[in-house]
Amino acid sequence: DTEVTQTPKHLVMGMTNKKSLKCEQHMGHRAMYWYKQKAKKPPELMFVYSYEKLSINESVPSRFSPECPNSSLLNLHLHALQPEDSALYLCASSQGYGLVAGAHNEQFFGPGTRLTVL
Amino acid sequence: LAKTTQPISMDSYEGQEVNITCSHNNIATNDYITWYQQFPSQGPRFIIQGYKTKVTNEVASLFIPADRKSSTLSLPRVSLSDTAVYYCLVEDTGGFKTIFGAGTRLFVKA
Repeated sequence: DTEVTQTPKHLVMGMTNKKSLKCEQHMGHRAMYWYKQKAKKPPELMFVYSYEKLSINESVPSRFSPECPNSSLLNLHLHALQPEDSALYLCASSQGYGLVAGAHNEQFFGPGTRLTVL
Repeated sequence: LAKTTQPISMDSYEGQEVNITCSHNNIATNDYITWYQQFPSQGPRFIIQGYKTKVTNEVASLFIPADRKSSTLSLPRVSLSDTAVYYCLVEDTGGFKTIFGAGTRLFVKA
């Protein structure tokens, strides 16, 4: 199984809502990522978890809160979002060799959640 | 991480070889060069990754000169289904930090 699944596919929420995006992989990967992608722009890295610990936070606003309950699951909790946060949110995973620099690191991406904030 | 620069768009015809060049002047010793393909409303898909010289797999080749300040993705005999956005990126594969380039929109015509 080389698939990364994301739910929901689409999400519409108001600025006062609280919602969560979910990502799951069963490839035994130990690194998991959240990206944000605006229309006609490249994906922007938000967070990286390595061995269930947050290793990279790219200065993301606190209204985005990641969580990695176990090695197969990654959540992104959303609260008090702004309309400019509307985007495609992509999850990815990779084998994750930790700090062994130079290891091949193919990232497997999910299809994304299309988020609209009203 | 080094930023990358690549052409915004390219056109080609079916059956032709397509070469997309990416500049990464400030690439660091630990950085790898990776290319991804993305279709509309899908997540990116890994194409190829390399550190130096030439890497080839079943879908593409990656040419990296000795100074590593640029790289070229070569797609042999493209088809209509290769119409997509191609991203060049440098990765610190030990630290997981990834910066995607702006992407090249490849349009393959019949």
